[in-house]
Amino acid sequence: QQQVKQSPQSLIVQKGGISIINCAYENTAFDYFPWYQQFPGKGPALLIAIRPDVSEKKEGRFTISFNKSAKQFSLHIMDSQPGDSATYFCAARGADSWGKFQFGAGTQVVVTP
Amino acid sequence: DAGVIQSPRHEVTEMGQEVTLRCKPISGHDYLFWYRQTMMRGLELLIYFNNNVPIDDSGMPEDRFSAKMPNASFSTLKIQPSEPRDSAVYFCASSSGTENTGELFFGEGSRLTVL
Repeated sequence: QQQVKQSPQSLIVQKGGISIINCAYENTAFDYFPWYQQFPGKGPALLIAIRPDVSEKKEGRFTISFNKSAKQFSLHIMDSQPGDSATYFCAARGADSWGKFQFGAGTQVVVTP
Repeated sequence: DAGVIQSPRHEVTEMGQEVTLRCKPISGHDYLFWYRQTMMRGLELLIYFNNNVPIDDSGMPEDRFSAKMPNASFSTLKIQPSEPRDSAVYFCASSSGTENTGELFFGEGSRLTVL
């Protein structure tokens, strides 16, 4: 049973467009929500992360929106570029399970020129 | 730093054979994780170590899988005997317990194909 549900499974966006990936969780003990980016043939790498005490975090073209009451968070990629084509994973971790990240199923993003 | 180093990058073996995957974590990191990635199940945590001690192996699929960490700079994941359903990409990751977020640093993975 996946503790973090991610959608969509894949999306195609034109260069310059906005990519939006959504995640939902049930466990209210989760207190740290990172997004990882994975290119083909590589391991995932941390992209951006948020804690539930803020509703939004922005780093460059990447923004996390967090809705604690709805237990949802999303990644927005503004001005999408072909180099952003990758698989994105949301994740969550609780303070009582420091080492155990629960990963979403992943979203394959393709940015067309 | 060289990052997390995994070997082999690719392994093709026949059903019933023993497979050993190796990992060298980032120097100074005290947590080490083994993940398995498949299209069907995504990223699954198999086991993780803290200071070379296994903390949680609840994700290890069955007794055919075993993992060791004899010292701070080396870990192995062994599958014996291997089966076709073990075909996947196996990732090793490390992190620092002194760093607030516990960011995971992944290796490039070992792609295992069991025929």
